[in-house]
Amino acid sequence: DAKTTQPNSMESNEEEPVHLPCNHSTISGTDYIHWYRQLPSQGPEYVIHGLTSNVNNRMASLAIAEDRKSSTLILHRATLRDAAVYYCILRDVDSGAGSYQLTFGKGTKLSVIP
Amino acid sequence: GAGVSQTPSNKVTEKGKYVELRCDPISGHTALYWYRQSLGQGPEFLIYFQGTGAADDSGLPNDRFFAVRPEGSVSTLKIQRTERGDSAVYLCASSLTGQGTPSTHNEQFFGPGTRLTVL
Repeated sequence: DAKTTQPNSMESNEEEPVHLPCNHSTISGTDYIHWYRQLPSQGPEYVIHGLTSNVNNRMASLAIAEDRKSSTLILHRATLRDAAVYYCILRDVDSGAGSYQLTFGKGTKLSVIP
Repeated sequence: GAGVSQTPSNKVTEKGKYVELRCDPISGHTALYWYRQSLGQGPEFLIYFQGTGAADDSGLPNDRFFAVRPEGSVSTLKIQRTERGDSAVYLCASSLTGQGTPSTHNEQFFGPGTRLTVL
């Protein structure tokens, strides 16, 4: 299975942009890049996903490198509510199990400083 | 609308006892998943249901673990002869559909989890 590498932790000041990196150097052509986040004492929640092009939604933006070996989740203005563990996950739509099974790493713990 | 709910929120039991953990998925979601999360780790996949059947139970650690979804809605995760190593947060998720190209249809919605402590 393709794996992802993320920093263990990051800090951001409130109302500043945050760039959360993820390396996935062994990504395959059919791997989608997903981001989930987990707020304290809650289950994970979906943030965004993409394949090749950059993506924007109401929560965040996803910037994908041209060679797809890395990606960055961008929170445009961090709030205290964004303090969470952020997981970068690859989903292979051509792999039976990989297409539905989410394989979580340890993620990046984001702290937001007021 | 209502999200995924799990009961109980906390369960404390003694080693060797039997426990049942319940998951109520979002209404209309055909796919249901169980994950287990140990302290400081990301969630680990246990089992995936499509409708009433377990499409993939490869993540269940051993035969003490079993899950059912008899009517294609509520699911129960059952653990026999609990061990201290079973202590973790058990998370349930559901999605409108299961496999396929990622879309809002197979985005997984998670419940808050059940914290199981085996003494």
